[in-house]
Amino acid sequence: NAGVTQTPKFQVLKTGQSMTLQCAQDMNHEYMSWYRQDPGMGLRLIHYSVGAGITDQGEVPNGYNVSRSTTEDFPLRLLSAAPSQTSVYFCASSYLSAATNEKLFFGSGTQLSVL
Amino acid sequence: LAKTTQPISMDSYEGQEVNITCSHNNIATNDYITWYQQFPSQGPRFIIQGYKTKVTNEVASLFIPADRKSSTLSLPRVSLSDTAVYYCLVGVSGDKLTFGTGTRLAVRP
Repeated sequence: NAGVTQTPKFQVLKTGQSMTLQCAQDMNHEYMSWYRQDPGMGLRLIHYSVGAGITDQGEVPNGYNVSRSTTEDFPLRLLSAAPSQTSVYFCASSYLSAATNEKLFFGSGTQLSVL
Repeated sequence: LAKTTQPISMDSYEGQEVNITCSHNNIATNDYITWYQQFPSQGPRFIIQGYKTKVTNEVASLFIPADRKSSTLSLPRVSLSDTAVYYCLVGVSGDKLTFGTGTRLAVRP
């Protein structure tokens, strides 16, 4: 069982370039989300999804787009990268339950530098 | 969405018990309290979750008072490998789940 897989692990972009961070899970989780982590800032939620075709904004959505065409995949798109988007990005997923708060499973992260 | 407050950092020595308290004054009736641990260069991983009273697993204990406005993660007899950042989350399944800055625990020999 691979769990949550993020690619690439490292990426360097120039300002204005676009790219997509990939996230895939093989646990049939309905909930998926993207976080960014900056030094001293903890984890901040960018976007999340409660199922295929459904996405919503988190705390810091500006500059990022997402889509959820399948249960397994939740890519994060940077349309025009800016130095302020230099960060470590984590994808997470969980089951959805009406009875409890299911635990999040995290990927190993993508370290992005925008020059 | 309940906001959480935790100490920024804590220091301990090997073999001691460590208690990290999280405040969540506006927790909602349906919210659960979940704690995660993060090592450098890794994603957070689940430690323990509770709704009220006390929960214990092989890693930690979680104490939640009756008013549920705070919770305490207890790590018994810490070792150097427990050095990490610990996050407290409050919410329900499918929520906009937000992490705070967490508590950086340093365990010394």
